[in-house]
Amino acid sequence: AQSVTQLGSHVSVSEGALVLLRCNYSSSVPPYLFWYVQYPNQGLQLLLKYTTGATLVKGINGFEAEFKKSETSFHLTKPSAHMSDAAEYFCAVSASGYSTLTFGKGTMLLVSP
Amino acid sequence: GAGVSQTPSNKVTEKGKYVELRCDPISGHTALYWYRQSLGQGPEFLIYFQGTGAADDSGLPNDRFFAVRPEGSVSTLKIQRTERGDSAVYLCASSPGQGGVSGANVLTFGAGSRLTVL
Repeated sequence: AQSVTQLGSHVSVSEGALVLLRCNYSSSVPPYLFWYVQYPNQGLQLLLKYTTGATLVKGINGFEAEFKKSETSFHLTKPSAHMSDAAEYFCAVSASGYSTLTFGKGTMLLVSP
Repeated sequence: GAGVSQTPSNKVTEKGKYVELRCDPISGHTALYWYRQSLGQGPEFLIYFQGTGAADDSGLPNDRFFAVRPEGSVSTLKIQRTERGDSAVYLCASSPGQGGVSGANVLTFGAGSRLTVL
């Protein structure tokens, strides 16, 4: 079975500051890892994914995440926050390309001017 | 269609009533998923269709919940004898369904159907 823990239900940053959203996973097999973003009244949108290969993956809107097997982590970062980044972010794991996704509880990112 | 369409966007019903929620996936996507998102929680898996058949329904909470996809496209989630605890946003997603490394479960989500049971 897989599970995801997102540390911090809310993260506040100033515009221009580094964004760091934490995700730790548990999986009995090599995981596939995902970050999704949800804007108000919209569906979840894929930011980036890790399947195999390069452990640093780049996504849309300047976000990136690094898969660290030894730490069972897949933290999401962005060097400089923008007001438009304010949204809820979900980390998810699956056991393979064919299995369903298990989501974390989400982290709300607040960006202040 | 261009995206995943869910109707209704909002549904208010009374305890004990029957509810249907509809999902129209992206054209050509063979895999369709239903998730439920309660307030302050991440999406919780309910059921997954590959074509017309339910490949995994292990997330359905009880026998009041049922979903169909008779022609392998549109799906309907049916909830009988609704309870206040069923209040949530019900999300539908679709994917090409081919999986594998390159396409690994890239789900496209709809905006959801918000169900409120009074």
